[in-house]
Amino acid sequence: GQQLNQSPQSMFIQEGEDVSMNCTSSSIFNTWLWYKQDPGEGPVLLIALYKAGELTSNGRLTAQFGITRKDSFLNISASIPSDVGIYFCAGRLGNEKLTFGTGTRLTIIP
Amino acid sequence: GAVVSQHPSWVICKSGTSVKIECRSLDFQATTMFWYRQFPKQSLMLMATSNEGSKATYEQGVEKDKFLINHASLTLSTLTVTSAHPEDSSFYICSASSTLPTDSPLHFGNGTRLTVT
Repeated sequence: GQQLNQSPQSMFIQEGEDVSMNCTSSSIFNTWLWYKQDPGEGPVLLIALYKAGELTSNGRLTAQFGITRKDSFLNISASIPSDVGIYFCAGRLGNEKLTFGTGTRLTIIP
Repeated sequence: GAVVSQHPSWVICKSGTSVKIECRSLDFQATTMFWYRQFPKQSLMLMATSNEGSKATYEQGVEKDKFLINHASLTLSTLTVTSAHPEDSSFYICSASSTLPTDSPLHFGNGTRLTVT
């Protein structure tokens, strides 16, 4: 099935650093969602975006709905050990199925 | 917030047997439930979409006779992997939506790790 291009594929950072990741699509969406998945568990919703240009925060996390409707960004400020995991973006247009990104694996170096 | 419960969290079965996985919406009525499959280090791939009281819609390449989906109520959907084979070993995850997809994000269950020996 279709997938979104998500980058970077993996990140190795030190605790306290800021993190940025993004998703791009060849087609437009009117919903962008960001999820975090821990090993052996289902994805947990972090942020939902419904309008082009929208900027939404959830604690140390901030996500933006790209103005072109073809991309979205997720930033994590002052990373902590529990931020480790895989982050997935997901996009949807209307009532179509949700399309997932390829994931960004975040590792914090001690 | 919306809670989706999935059971069992893991199961080991012998080749040729069938396995049923349950997905329940605990605090809302799920008009639509989705079943995903995830291989190690890969993203989630949609298998099928089920609407309460109607037949499921399967994605291309997913065998509907092998992966039986039943959505008999607004709070329960089941996925049955029939005549399981080792290549069916995977992480299966359900999600549920309470209203039109445009109005609500998907909430996911905790997944079921299926191992077929």
